[in-house]
Amino acid sequence: DAKTTQPPSMDCAEGRAANLPCNHSTISGNEYVYWYRQIHSQGPQYIIHGLKNNETNEMASLIITEDRKSSTLILPHATLRDTAVYYCIVRGSGGGADGLTFGKGTHLIIQP
Amino acid sequence: GAGVSQSPRYKVAKRGQDVALRCDPISGHVSLFWYQQALGQGPEFLTYFQNEAQLDKSGLPSDRFFAERPEGSVSTLKIQRTQQEDSAVYLCASSSDRVGRAFFGQGTRLTVV
Repeated sequence: DAKTTQPPSMDCAEGRAANLPCNHSTISGNEYVYWYRQIHSQGPQYIIHGLKNNETNEMASLIITEDRKSSTLILPHATLRDTAVYYCIVRGSGGGADGLTFGKGTHLIIQP
Repeated sequence: GAGVSQSPRYKVAKRGQDVALRCDPISGHVSLFWYQQALGQGPEFLTYFQNEAQLDKSGLPSDRFFAERPEGSVSTLKIQRTQQEDSAVYLCASSSDRVGRAFFGQGTRLTVV
C-alpha cells in the first residue's frame, strides 16, 4: 500500500471549515483513500473513503486531486468534538497487506 | 449493542503472566482485525481473519502472540509470558469484507508491570 504524508498538527476555530491535507504521491490505480479519526481514549472511527471522485457524507467531504496524488478532508463546520487525530490511509482493493496502515496522522485541535 | 465489543477494557498483568483479550465483532462481519497501539503512535496491524481462517499474521511481533477465531465470530488474542514492551492498547475491528469500512472497538489497555 502507498505511503501517506500528513502535517503533525493543525488548529481550527470552532464553526469554521477544517481542511486536512494528505499527500499520497505513490498511489496506484486500484488504491482507495480512506480517512479515519481517533478521539482520545476511543477506537478509530471511519469517516469517508474514495477512489477518484469527490465524496461527501454526513460527516465530511473528500476532495481528491485529478492526478490522485493528494487529497483534502473537509469538516464543514468544526465543533469541539471534532478534536482528534485524523489518519489518511491508502489501501488497495485487491492484494497487498490486509490491515490498514495508520501512520502518525494529524492532530486537529478545534479552538473555542 | 450493535458495535464491536472488547473485554476487558483494562488489564494489568505481572511480567511473565499470560493474558487473553476478547473481541466480539459486529454480527455477520466476515473480516476481523487486531491492532496494537503504543502510547502516542498510530495503530499497527497485527493479524487478520476471514471467518475462522487466519489469513495474515505478519504483524504479530513474536511467537508469544497468538490469535484465534474458531467459529468465525468471537476472537481472542492471547499473549504468553507478557513483557513490559507488550504494554499498549489492543484494538479489534470488524468489517463486512476485507477492504470495506472497518468498525473498531474501544480497545483493551494492557499494562505489564
